[in-house]
Amino acid sequence: KNQVEQSPQSLIILEGKNCTLQCNYTVSPFSNLRWYKQDTGRGPVSLTIMTFSENTKSNGRYTATLDADTKQSSLHITASQLSDSASYICVVRLSSASKIIFGSGTRLSIRP
Amino acid sequence: SAVISQKPSRDICQRGTSLTIQCQVDSQVTMMFWYRQQPGQSLTLIATANQGSEATYESGFVIDKFPISRPNLTFSTLTVSNMSPEDSSIYLCSVEAGPQETQYFGPGTRLLVL
Repeated sequence: KNQVEQSPQSLIILEGKNCTLQCNYTVSPFSNLRWYKQDTGRGPVSLTIMTFSENTKSNGRYTATLDADTKQSSLHITASQLSDSASYICVVRLSSASKIIFGSGTRLSIRP
Repeated sequence: SAVISQKPSRDICQRGTSLTIQCQVDSQVTMMFWYRQQPGQSLTLIATANQGSEATYESGFVIDKFPISRPNLTFSTLTVSNMSPEDSSIYLCSVEAGPQETQYFGPGTRLLVL
């Protein structure tokens, strides 16, 4: 069964600290993996995209990694800011039928 | 990129009534997607709307409950019919654009059914 699981479900850290969010998937055949940021009351916005051959991708203070062998991805946030408070969603696309599978998200709260 | 707007942004409705949500894109796109996001949950695809043909519904969603229109390449509507409190959710419109098939989402319509 095609699934995307994220951990932790929620996370609270202090402003300025780093954190890492995890995503495990059992999607096949795999096309690409994206991390989205969803602010409260808004639609998700794409942060990074990685294909099978890529194992790291950065977007400012966000760095995503992908291990296609173990089917794991992580999103590392450096020097967190209050504006990083949001839900982070891992999304995997199948290469067949262009179907995408959403993870349930990690709710990140940054405290001053 | 694609900029998507949705109307209304939020609404409170009585059970048994219907609400039509509008989605406008700033560029022509082939497919538009409608998602539902229940409180604390991730997104669930309701249907895919192609211009000029009937929408394709995902398992668990039917046309009688969620009729969709797609009159042109920049606009779509989703109607939530005969609403019940279980329909309280955020409804999001989405399109794919660009060579990497990036999905862009509208801001969502927050629906509360009493």
